[in-house]
Amino acid sequence: EVQLVESGGGLVQPGRSLTLSCAASGFSVGDYAMTWVRQAPGKGLEWVGLIRSKSYGGTTDYAASVRGRFTISRDDSKNIAYLRMNYLRTEDTAVYYCARSFERRLDLWGQGILVVVSS
Amino acid sequence: EIVMTQTPLSLSVTPGQPASISCKSSQSLQDRDGRTYLSWYLQKPGQPPQLLMYEVYNRFSGVPDTFSGSGSGTDFTLEISRVEAEDVGVYYCMQGLQNPRTFGPGTKVDLK
Repeated sequence: EVQLVESGGGLVQPGRSLTLSCAASGFSVGDYAMTWVRQAPGKGLEWVGLIRSKSYGGTTDYAASVRGRFTISRDDSKNIAYLRMNYLRTEDTAVYYCARSFERRLDLWGQGILVVVSS
Repeated sequence: EIVMTQTPLSLSVTPGQPASISCKSSQSLQDRDGRTYLSWYLQKPGQPPQLLMYEVYNRFSGVPDTFSGSGSGTDFTLEISRVEAEDVGVYYCMQGLQNPRTFGPGTKVDLK
């Protein structure tokens, strides 16, 4: 079955770090651009960033709100994409989704994982 | 950054009746390859978003033909010919032309 499963969320204090994982099955993460999208409680969708496929060099792009604090990577051998979040702020509290990007559309989404940043 | 707007932000529809959602972008979403990178997503209550339409008018796999998309340049429309109970949720448009990708604010659709 083709699916994405996020893990690693939870409660974290402001200023601390957290790493989310996105495990893929049914396809190879290296063959697609893998994207992270977040949704603050009761709010809309916010694009966080992406890592391009191997064929596009595996480079990354980020939203301005997270650039310099968040890092997206992947481990092709484990078929997992990651979102490393440093210097977390209360405004980073959200459900984080990983999604597969194919030809500029997000055609497969994970169920999401909640991150709460609070003291 | 491309700004996406949607109208209305909320829509209450009688089952079996049509519904229409407008999405506008602050610049044309047509790329140099001639393709227009506008997609639509539905987030049902308690679920992640799911892809409905891509490149304006292409239905994603499994999406019923009661959904249709139209538009070009900066103005786009998602239409539901007959709203059913399973169509309830929040609809988002998203531009795929450039990074950062940006979403519209969402249109909440419920039943009267």
